[in-house]
Amino acid sequence: GEDVEQSLFLSVREGDSSVINCTYTDSSSTYLYWYKQEPGAGLQLLTYIFSNMDMKQDQRLTVLLNKKDKHLSLRIADTQTGDSAIYFCAESIVRNTGKLIFGQGTTLQVKP
Amino acid sequence: DTAVSQTPKYLVTQMGNDKSIKCEQNLGHDTMYWYKQDSKKFLKIMFSYNNKELIINETVPNRFSPKSPDKAHLNLHINSLELGDSAVYFCASSQGDEWETQYFGPGTRLLVL
Repeated sequence: GEDVEQSLFLSVREGDSSVINCTYTDSSSTYLYWYKQEPGAGLQLLTYIFSNMDMKQDQRLTVLLNKKDKHLSLRIADTQTGDSAIYFCAESIVRNTGKLIFGQGTTLQVKP
Repeated sequence: DTAVSQTPKYLVTQMGNDKSIKCEQNLGHDTMYWYKQDSKKFLKIMFSYNNKELIINETVPNRFSPKSPDKAHLNLHINSLELGDSAVYFCASSQGDEWETQYFGPGTRLLVL
C-alpha cells in the first residue's frame, strides 16, 4: 500500500545536528524526496535520492536510504534558526506520472 | 521572476458557493498538479495534467473540476463548497521526464464558512 510516516516534531539547539526520519511501505518507490515548508509558504524541494542509492550529500544535508528497512533520513548539520520549518518526506511510486505520496511532515524547531 | 503563482492567496466564502483558484507557471513545464493540504498538514495529490491532458485523478469529489486552457495554466473550480473543503491548495509543476521533481506555488488558503 501507499503509506509514508514521519514523527511529528523535533526540537534541537542551534549548532546541533538534526535527524528527521521517515518510513515508507511501497518497495517499488523510484525516488524519495525531502521538501521543506516554511510558515505560510509552499513546499520547496530540498533534495532527493534515487532508490538504488544509499546516501546523498548536499552541503549541510545528508540523506540516508535503507531500502531493506524502507527507512529514509535527513540529517541537517549545524542546524540554524532559519532551518525551522516543516519537513516532508515523499516517495514516487508510479513511474512517469509524477504521483508523490507525502508523509505528514515533521516540524523542526531550532532553539537559539 | 515568480516560477509558480496562484491566485488568490486567501479565499473566504460561504458554504454552497462556487469558486475558482488559478495557477500559472512560467518555467516552461508541461505537467501541472493540484494538491490539498488539510489542517493537520497532510498533503495529498488531487489532479495532474500533462500538456493539457488529465493524467492523475485521485478520488476527489466531482464538485472539483480542473481546467487547463494551455500547458502554463491549471485552474481549479469548486462547485457547492462544503466546510470540509477548507484547506490550503497547492499548485505544482514539473518538466518532461523529470516528472517527480516538482516545483510548488505558495498556496491558496480556502476557508469555507
